[in-house]
Amino acid sequence: DAGITQSPRHKVTETGTPVTLRCHQTENHRYMYWYRQDPGHGLRLIHYSYGVKDTDKGEVSDGYSVSRSKTEDFLLTLESATSSQTSVYFCATRDRANTEAFFGQGTRLTVV
Amino acid sequence: ILNVEQSPQSLHVQEGDSTNFTCSFPSSNFYALHWYRWETAKSPEALFVMTLNGDEKKKGRISATLNTKEGYSYLYIKGSQPEDSATYLCAFNSGGGADGLTFGKGTHLIIQP
Repeated sequence: DAGITQSPRHKVTETGTPVTLRCHQTENHRYMYWYRQDPGHGLRLIHYSYGVKDTDKGEVSDGYSVSRSKTEDFLLTLESATSSQTSVYFCATRDRANTEAFFGQGTRLTVV
Repeated sequence: ILNVEQSPQSLHVQEGDSTNFTCSFPSSNFYALHWYRWETAKSPEALFVMTLNGDEKKKGRISATLNTKEGYSYLYIKGSQPEDSATYLCAFNSGGGADGLTFGKGTHLIIQP
């Protein structure tokens, strides 16, 4: 298994507060991704990174920002959490562009 | 927004029977097609990554085929076992390949003993 750790695993937060989710990998994979998973939807891409300080927006990036200051860490920040951001968030990594993705265990975020 | 469709949404299969399901994806700007197996309370795990038209891949009782010209892939499970119960996701990778994957909603497979 690729060593991908997400923290926290569960979080409840209030509307309007900022929240940061962390993804840490020990595999030295170049590419990292944040997805959200909601009922009735597939995994949807929020943001991704193709190297340190290189990030780009995905399909559902509004309300989220990311940072990657080290190869091993990819942070997802909800600048001002809303109830629509209640979801399960998955981090994934890839070694090269044509290889499989490895997923973290997921973070269940509830915004009340 | 890329459209990746999987059918059926859910499937009940008797233990020992074989089954298959479909993933359709855009036929333009194709880079790769992925299949993942997602068990409840776990994370998705890769089954196959296919890049060439006509690709066929096999892992034990599970196999997959790819048609990039018409934009579809089939996943086959032979002799289903209860441990095959899971959601099977396909994911389309376009462009240069480094971009994120676009996932279908999955086929939820339940194997009945």
